[in-house]
Amino acid sequence: AIQMTQSPSSLSASVGDRVTITCRASQGIRNDLGWYQQKPGKAPKLLIYAAYNLQSGVPSRFSGSASGTDFTLTISSLQPEDFATYYCLQDYNYPQTFGQGTKVEIK
Amino acid sequence: EVQLLESGGGLVQPGGSLRLSCAASGFTFSSYAMSWVRQAPGKGLEWVSTISGSGVDTYYADSVKGRFTISRDNSKNTLYLQMNSLRAEDTAVYFCARERYGAKSPWGQGTLVTVSS
Repeated sequence: AIQMTQSPSSLSASVGDRVTITCRASQGIRNDLGWYQQKPGKAPKLLIYAAYNLQSGVPSRFSGSASGTDFTLTISSLQPEDFATYYCLQDYNYPQTFGQGTKVEIK
Repeated sequence: EVQLLESGGGLVQPGGSLRLSCAASGFTFSSYAMSWVRQAPGKGLEWVSTISGSGVDTYYADSVKGRFTISRDNSKNTLYLQMNSLRAEDTAVYFCARERYGAKSPWGQGTLVTVSS
């Protein structure tokens, strides 16, 4: 199974900060990666699909990028509603695998 | 509006069985693959299973293979997860999600399965 190593596991940031979260795949997965946001007690929400593509309705401050087996989610200017846990998911093959999650907390 | 509504969760003893359902509305159900993803209390997300739109192709995590069966009834717009030989480590919130080119959106609100004696 492909392993997705997500970092950091948590971070503290202030409103307005630029935040980056990274996932590294254990092998090539093309651009078959999505990013999800989850708030406590809620279902996950798709933010980015196919590494770069912004899901409809998601604010443009969220963006995704890729370089080889490294994938990055960037929040350009953190907003109060962005404090949540973020997960990457590779859908290149089965079993699909999630990263361990990154909890973004208020500094 | 696209909606997914899970049901069927509850408390079950180790070794027992449970069937989860996910009722879909607002889209052409048979045109989409569907997935189950679970989340143990306080833990991260774990992909469980995916089924193609026709129901012909199914995929499972190793942790549930041979114990869980995913299925769908396209005439009823409903996805199922039959869970047998349940273990304590299957305790989780189970989410269903619509698949589109591998990306999952939207997700249902989840249903809690607790395996305990």
